[in-house]
Amino acid sequence: KNQVEQSPQSLIILEGKNCTLQCNYTVSPFSNLRWYKQDTGRGPVSLTIMTFSENTKSNGRYTATLDADTKQSSLHITASQLSDSASYICVVTYGGATNKLIFGTGTLLAVQP
Amino acid sequence: GAVVSQHPSRVICKSGTSVKIECRSLDFQATTMFWYRQFPKQSLMLMATSNEGSKATYEQGVEKDKFLINHASLTLSTLTVTSAHPEDSSFYICSANVGGKRTEAFFGQGTRLTVV
Repeated sequence: KNQVEQSPQSLIILEGKNCTLQCNYTVSPFSNLRWYKQDTGRGPVSLTIMTFSENTKSNGRYTATLDADTKQSSLHITASQLSDSASYICVVTYGGATNKLIFGTGTLLAVQP
Repeated sequence: GAVVSQHPSRVICKSGTSVKIECRSLDFQATTMFWYRQFPKQSLMLMATSNEGSKATYEQGVEKDKFLINHASLTLSTLTVTSAHPEDSSFYICSANVGGKRTEAFFGQGTRLTVV
């Protein structure tokens, strides 16, 4: 079954600290993996996108990694800011004919002063 | 990046009435758009795939007569929640994909529907 699991479910960190969010998937065939940030009451916004051959991708303070062999990805946030408080969603695109998106359940991050 | 605009952002309606939500691709053409529903603290759930010029494809368990989808042009898809009930209250989000192998989904800002 094609699934995307994220951990932790929620996380609280102090402003300025770093954190790492995890994503494991069983989607096959695999097309690409994206990390999205979703603020409360808003639509998701793309942070990074990686295909099979890409191991790491950075976007400012966000760095995503992908291990296609173990089917794991991580999102590392450096020097967190209060505005980083949001839900972070890992999304894997099914590589079959439908190009269907498989959503993880998300990690709710709260950055406290 | 590509922009997907969703309108309205919030709507409150009475039980039994119908509500229409619009999803527009502003700077690109989208032959396919997707409609999602999101309950509090849960991830997005795909409701249906909207196909320009043809019938929408609904996910299992989604009532097609309840959630009417129209994709009349390459830049506009609409979702109409018919005879709304309080249990239809939710956050509805649309998206459109851009690109081939590196297909990227761009999401609208979402619509908070409250049925009273």
